[in-house]
Amino acid sequence: EDQVTQSPEALRLQEGESSSLNCSYTVSGLRGLFWYRQDPGKGPEFLFTLYSAGEEKEKERLKATLTKKESFLHITAPKPEDSATYLCAVPSRVSFGNEKLTFGTGTRLTIIP
Amino acid sequence: NAGVTQTPKFQVLKTGQSMTLQCAQDMNHNSMYWYRQDPGMGLRLIYYSASEGTTDKGEVPNGYNVSRLNKREFSLRLESAAPSQTSVYFCASTGLAGYSAVPNEQFFGPGTRLTVL
Repeated sequence: EDQVTQSPEALRLQEGESSSLNCSYTVSGLRGLFWYRQDPGKGPEFLFTLYSAGEEKEKERLKATLTKKESFLHITAPKPEDSATYLCAVPSRVSFGNEKLTFGTGTRLTIIP
Repeated sequence: NAGVTQTPKFQVLKTGQSMTLQCAQDMNHNSMYWYRQDPGMGLRLIYYSASEGTTDKGEVPNGYNVSRLNKREFSLRLESAAPSQTSVYFCASTGLAGYSAVPNEQFFGPGTRLTVL
């Protein structure tokens, strides 16, 4: 059974203070890893897909990296609008061309002005 | 494009009442999903539909039924609501990936917040 663990559960940073969020996973054959952002009262919003170890993707102040056992979401010089819960998920095939996602419980990030 | 839409946004039920949560997508996606999100549990898959006319159970299907009405719409029904079904429900959709292709991201709706008293 696929498992995804995220840490820390919550993180408070001062504006401009860089840090990293961790997502460790146990899967039988990694086919990719997704990062989502979720604001309070809203649905998850897609950020990145990483497909293989060593891959990196960037978007504004966020950079996602992937190793064979974990993924990191690095946030550089964050701003208050980066405050959200960040979720990671791994796909597993359930039928031809169809995947289900196994999610971690998320990291709740708060950026203090 | 509206993406994935869900109705209602909020609902309060009494134990034993029934209701249907509606979901629609306008992205011509083949696959649709229903998840529930509970504090400390993350998002868990209830049911999914790989294509019109097909549905399959996810991790936590007990107490729920689904209908894939057409390619656009996928509904979730609670026949006899229980307090344990108090949760936030999300619908998602994704395009069909070929057998050897990489998985596609899922797009989520805004959610339905359900309270069962």
